[in-house]
Amino acid sequence: KNEVEQSPQNLTAQEGEFITINCSYSVGISALHWLQQHPGGGIVSLFMLSSGKKKHGRLIATINIQEKHSSLHITASHPRDSAVYICAAPTSGSRLTFGEGTQLTVNP
Amino acid sequence: DSGVTQTPKHLITATGQRVTLRCSPRSGDLSVYWYQQSLDQGLQFLIQYYNGEERAKGNILERFSAQQFPDLHSELNLSSLELGDSALYFCASSVASQGTGELFFGEGSRLTVL
Repeated sequence: KNEVEQSPQNLTAQEGEFITINCSYSVGISALHWLQQHPGGGIVSLFMLSSGKKKHGRLIATINIQEKHSSLHITASHPRDSAVYICAAPTSGSRLTFGEGTQLTVNP
Repeated sequence: DSGVTQTPKHLITATGQRVTLRCSPRSGDLSVYWYQQSLDQGLQFLIQYYNGEERAKGNILERFSAQQFPDLHSELNLSSLELGDSALYFCASSVASQGTGELFFGEGSRLTVL
């Protein structure tokens, strides 16, 4: 079992739908990262959070430290949101362990 | 633009060869991380440097080595290349020494070993 697990692996949505991607981890962590990787390969950091909730535009990330669970929500999804979303956590010092990623496709 | 520069963007070489990937971190960031992303293994942490010193080591092969120079740029050296080394290699920089600082990723270096 991976220390960081994501679900679902693949997600297809219609434009405008509300999307949720989940991430669970099995070890105590101090923070969790959400990353976005576009088809061209580049990676962008979306959020780093250690408690509660953060919002940036249509993206919302939440974390529940006690339940070892984080979610990434996208409101009013758009085709340009199509990408791979990856959660990652420092499971040992500064060593990041990555989830397998969620391939999101938003159709117009 | 993350402020992190990686070169080269693409590299094609043959088995047994040696290559060097370069990363310039964002201005002010002391930490440089190297990651490998292959099709079958996803993103994997290789190594971290903080202010010139090795800070953490991940699944880095003995054929691979890295260093961070006084100007904080870093190089990842891959030698005796094998087909399985074909992957995207990312570097990221951060202000923090632990994994709790925001990460800024370079665009990656795509290595193809033929």
